[in-house]
Amino acid sequence: AQSVTQLGSHVSVSEGALVLLRCNYSSSVPPYLFWYVQYPNQGLQLLLKYTSAATLVKGINGFEAEFKKSETSFHLTKPSAHMSDAAEYFCAVARPAQKLVFGQGTRLTINP
Amino acid sequence: DAGVTQSPTHLIKTRGQQVTLRCSPKSGHDTVSWYQQALGQGPQFIFQYYEEEERQRGNFPDRFSGHQFPNYSSELNVNALLLGDSALYLCASSYGTGDSAKNIQYFGAGTRLSVL
Repeated sequence: AQSVTQLGSHVSVSEGALVLLRCNYSSSVPPYLFWYVQYPNQGLQLLLKYTSAATLVKGINGFEAEFKKSETSFHLTKPSAHMSDAAEYFCAVARPAQKLVFGQGTRLTINP
Repeated sequence: DAGVTQSPTHLIKTRGQQVTLRCSPKSGHDTVSWYQQALGQGPQFIFQYYEEEERQRGNFPDRFSGHQFPNYSSELNVNALLLGDSALYLCASSYGTGDSAKNIQYFGAGTRLSVL
């Protein structure tokens, strides 16, 4: 069985500050890991994915995440927050055959 | 190139009614998955269709059923609606069902169902 835990349902940072959204996973097989972003009244947009290649993964909009097997973590970071980053972020694990298992989500608020 | 499209955008039903939601996959995709996202929660997997057959199913009752057509589009049907079925229903499409790093799911904007 696979599961994802996102630590912190709500994260608030100032514009220009570091963004860190935490995700820990549980998987009995080597996982594929994903971060999706959801803007209000929209579907999910893929930010980045880890599929057993490089452990540091770069995504869109300046986001990146590092796969740490020893810590079973896949935290999402961005060096400098922008107002447009305000959204809901979901970490997900999948393998095999693509059924995505999502975390509960983290709402990111950016303060001016 | 059109992405994943879902219809309708919003829907209001009453308890006990039946509803049908529709999804057209991204061009070149042949696999459709459906997810339910309750307010304030992460999406939950309902089922996946490939080659017009249900290939995987999540922990949802038989009131939830689906169909995939030869053009790869899909429908989600929910019978005997309950208040708890109120949610955003997301459709995702991908190519194939193999365990490949290339098989990424792309999501539509969803259908928001309200059951009164």
